[in-house]
Amino acid sequence: QVNLLQSGAALVKPGASVKLSCKASGYTFTDYYIHWVKQSHGKSLEWIGYINPNSGYTNYNEKFKSKATLTVDKSTNTAYMELSRLTSEDSATYYCTRSDYPGIRRFAYWGQGTLVTVSS
Amino acid sequence: VQMTQSPSYLAASPGESVSISCKASKSISNNLAWYQEKPGKANKLLIHSGSTLQSGTPSRFSGSGSGTDFTLTIRSLESEDFAVYYCQQYNEYPLTFGSGTKLEIK
Repeated sequence: QVNLLQSGAALVKPGASVKLSCKASGYTFTDYYIHWVKQSHGKSLEWIGYINPNSGYTNYNEKFKSKATLTVDKSTNTAYMELSRLTSEDSATYYCTRSDYPGIRRFAYWGQGTLVTVSS
Repeated sequence: VQMTQSPSYLAASPGESVSISCKASKSISNNLAWYQEKPGKANKLLIHSGSTLQSGTPSRFSGSGSGTDFTLTIRSLESEDFAVYYCQQYNEYPLTFGSGTKLEIK
């Protein structure tokens, strides 16, 4: 069965960076894009971008282009998202997601989420 | 594409039926999905392509619409249905979500 296991909660200082991970299992990692979604506390969902694990190609929401960097490690079936120059606005839960069919941009599988808290 | 979802809050009793609206700022064909969010559980894809039930979604859920106007209807509410619901358009990038509807027990 498809599983997306995300790294644990992170407490980081303003101005620092954090790298979140999403380990995929139960399917061929390179067959499906990994998308990342942000959910600020009590608010809705924002799409950050996706990475094609096969080619490394990325596509970002313009809003997050200077904030997030997506990478993968095919040897461990793990996707990463690095968030830089963190501010309180970046405090949120971040999800990695996968579609139900290759290339389809809806999300049938979700990680459990990683809570990022930015605080001094 | 901006997605306007309403209402933001809905209170209903088990057995009742409810509807949630999602309006797109431009035509998205039928490239719309509905999700259910519950505490401590992974978000669940309920409906895609505007009206197609995802495998495992109970038949009391239905979706309708195309173009810019979409509706999620839940008939004969059960206790497990009280949750937050989001719509999402996947017609074009950037992918966008509605603001969510919290469905609570009256």
